[in-house]
Amino acid sequence: SAVISQKPSRDICQRGTSLTIQCQVDSQVTMMFWYRQQPGQSLTLIATANQGSEATYESGFVIDKFPISRPNLTFSTLTVSNMSPEDSSIYLCSVDNYSGQGSYGYTFGSGTRLTVV
Amino acid sequence: KQEVTQIPAALSVPEGENLVLNCSFTDSAIYNLQWFRQDPGKGLTSLLLIQSSQREQTSGRLNASLDKSSGRSTLYIAASQPGDSATYLCAVLSDTGRRALTFGSGTRLQVQP
Repeated sequence: SAVISQKPSRDICQRGTSLTIQCQVDSQVTMMFWYRQQPGQSLTLIATANQGSEATYESGFVIDKFPISRPNLTFSTLTVSNMSPEDSSIYLCSVDNYSGQGSYGYTFGSGTRLTVV
Repeated sequence: KQEVTQIPAALSVPEGENLVLNCSFTDSAIYNLQWFRQDPGKGLTSLLLIQSSQREQTSGRLNASLDKSSGRSTLYIAASQPGDSATYLCAVLSDTGRRALTFGSGTRLQVQP
């Protein structure tokens, strides 16, 4: 399975600022996924990022608030822009351990715990 | 739209008990189902993956079953230990071309020494 390195692990940020979260994968993957987990809640998909194309955002998430970069097949960033306390969550990236024979499950980064004050 | 439900939401048991966590999904057209563990404030650790053609998977004290036609999966934990305390999440990959997982809300497990 792929191994993902996610940074930072946690941060405390002032409202109105932006934070960029990075995920580095140890193998080439076609799609990367970004999730948000609000306090006490389950995971909600923010967007799907393909290399070389614009990310696809889920309902309720917009590119201006959560811009995503995917410069190559092993790396992606998610920026949380103009933060407010409501953005305080755990943010996670994920990849599908996919081969020509199908999906072998998903691997997740260790998460970024964001607190906005 | 796929929906995943987990029961119970929380569970507290004494050490040594065998326990069952339940997961149900509304659309049986799934590719696979995956169980994860999440420690507080941390990322997700994959426990077991069951492909749609399989009935169960085992890893150590963990056993997961899948009844695709009825839209149910169970995670069985034998001889629970305090180190098993965590939130357990069930996630399905639908067989609709959408490559993202749909998650349940999780079961928060506390094993008391």
